Amino acid sequence: DAKTTQPTSMDCAEGRAANLPCNHSTISGNEYVYWYRQIHSQGPQYIIHGLKNNETNEMASLIITEDRKSSTLILPHATLRDTAVYYCIVRAANFGNEKLTFGTGTRLTIIP
Amino acid sequence: EPEVTQTPSHQVTQMGQEVILRCVPISNHLYFYWYRQILGQKVEFLVSFYNNEISEKSEIFDDQFSVERPDGSNFTLKIRSTKLEDSAMYFCASLRNPGSDYGYTFGSGTRLTVV
Repeated sequence: DAKTTQPTSMDCAEGRAANLPCNHSTISGNEYVYWYRQIHSQGPQYIIHGLKNNETNEMASLIITEDRKSSTLILPHATLRDTAVYYCIVRAANFGNEKLTFGTGTRLTIIP
Repeated sequence: EPEVTQTPSHQVTQMGQEVILRCVPISNHLYFYWYRQILGQKVEFLVSFYNNEISEKSEIFDDQFSVERPDGSNFTLKIRSTKLEDSAMYFCASLRNPGSDYGYTFGSGTRLTVV
């Protein structure tokens, strides 16, 4: 799997948009970008994933650069409950048994 | 919303004892996984399971570990002789199919403490 690089930590004011960057310069053509988060010691929670087009769902938006070497997860109106560690993971999505390789992620703190 | 259920939420066991961690994956999912997270460290892959057999396992998943899906609903992780270093959060996850729009669904975990 391609390696990802994320900032160790970020702060964001409540109600503002949180923009979390991720670099994945060695991504392959068949690899998707996945975002998960882990709130305290709970199980990781799937947020969103994409291949090359921008994606949006009820939780977040994912912006992938044209060269696919980096991406940004956007939480449009951050709340205190969005405080968590956010993981950017690159993996091929066409094999069901392809494991997830977690890095250290970005610890996002939402400030009241 | 469908959930992956794990029991117990917390288990304390003596070193050398056997433990079984239980998981009920989402009913229409086909791929099953165990991950663990030692306190303060990364989430680590242990094993994947599909079509009633192990698909892939990590170096951590040695002969002391085993998995099975005995009745088509439960998915269990057994540690035969626990060691202090097995103390961790253990997460079960399931996936419906390759390329699923919703990624993996993880359970809330079992905190295993070996004393």
